[in-house]
Amino acid sequence: NAGVTQTPKFRILKIGQSMTLQCTQDMNHNYMYWYRQDPGMGLKLIYYSVGAGITDKGEVPNGYNVSRSTTEDFPLRLELAAPSQTSVYFCASSSTGQGAGQPQHFGDGTRLSIL
Amino acid sequence: QKEVEQNSGPLSVPEGAIASLNCTYSDRGSQSFFWYRQYSGKSPELIMFIYSNGDKEDGRFTAQLNKASQYVSLLIRDSQPSDSATYLCAVRALSGTASKLTFGTGTRLQVTL
Repeated sequence: NAGVTQTPKFRILKIGQSMTLQCTQDMNHNYMYWYRQDPGMGLKLIYYSVGAGITDKGEVPNGYNVSRSTTEDFPLRLELAAPSQTSVYFCASSSTGQGAGQPQHFGDGTRLSIL
Repeated sequence: QKEVEQNSGPLSVPEGAIASLNCTYSDRGSQSFFWYRQYSGKSPELIMFIYSNGDKEDGRFTAQLNKASQYVSLLIRDSQPSDSATYLCAVRALSGTASKLTFGTGTRLQVTL
C-alpha cells in the first residue's frame, strides 16, 4: 500500500537551475496539494488541485508551477531555483466529499537545498 | 488573514503524565480540525480529527473542540517517550470546490523519563 510517493528524497541545486519534484498517489484521490515547510515552521500551501486538469494557487505560489494531467500525478516545477526555495516539500492527497473528515495523507517529503 | 496559532513549546511532561496541547483559530467558518504528529525529519501523520463541539476520544488521545471560543485541544494521557514529537494543528474551511487546510506552526512535546 504505497499511498503518496515523492521523488527524489534529497536534492541539491545550484541557483538558477530548474527541476521537477514528482508526486504520485495510488488512492484514487481527486484532491492533491503541495506544501513547503521551513525549519521550525508550519506547512505553507504552494498549489493544489481538485482534479485532473484543474490547479489553483495556494499561499506561496511564486517561483513554482504545477500540472495535473492525471488523477495520480501532481508534479511541482521550479524554473529558476533561488536560495529562498531551500525547504522541505511535502505532497499530500485527500478524497472528495462533503463530509467533515477527508484528512490529507502526506508523502515522505523532498529535502531541497539551493546553493 | 486566516490564522491558526499554537505555542511553539517545547512542552515538557514526565512519562505517564497528561500532555495538553492547545490551538486557536481565527476563521469562524472553519469546519474540521485535525491533529498531526510530526517526528523530526519525517512527514506529518494524522492522529485525530474532530468537527463537533465536545470531546472525541481515541485510545490515549482526546481531541476537544469549542467553536464558540475558537479553540481546539489535544490531550495525551499516559504520555510515553515515543510521543515526543511536534504536534501540528490544522483547520479546514470549505473554499469553493476545495477544502484546504491551514496549519499552525506546531508545538514541540518532550516526554521525559
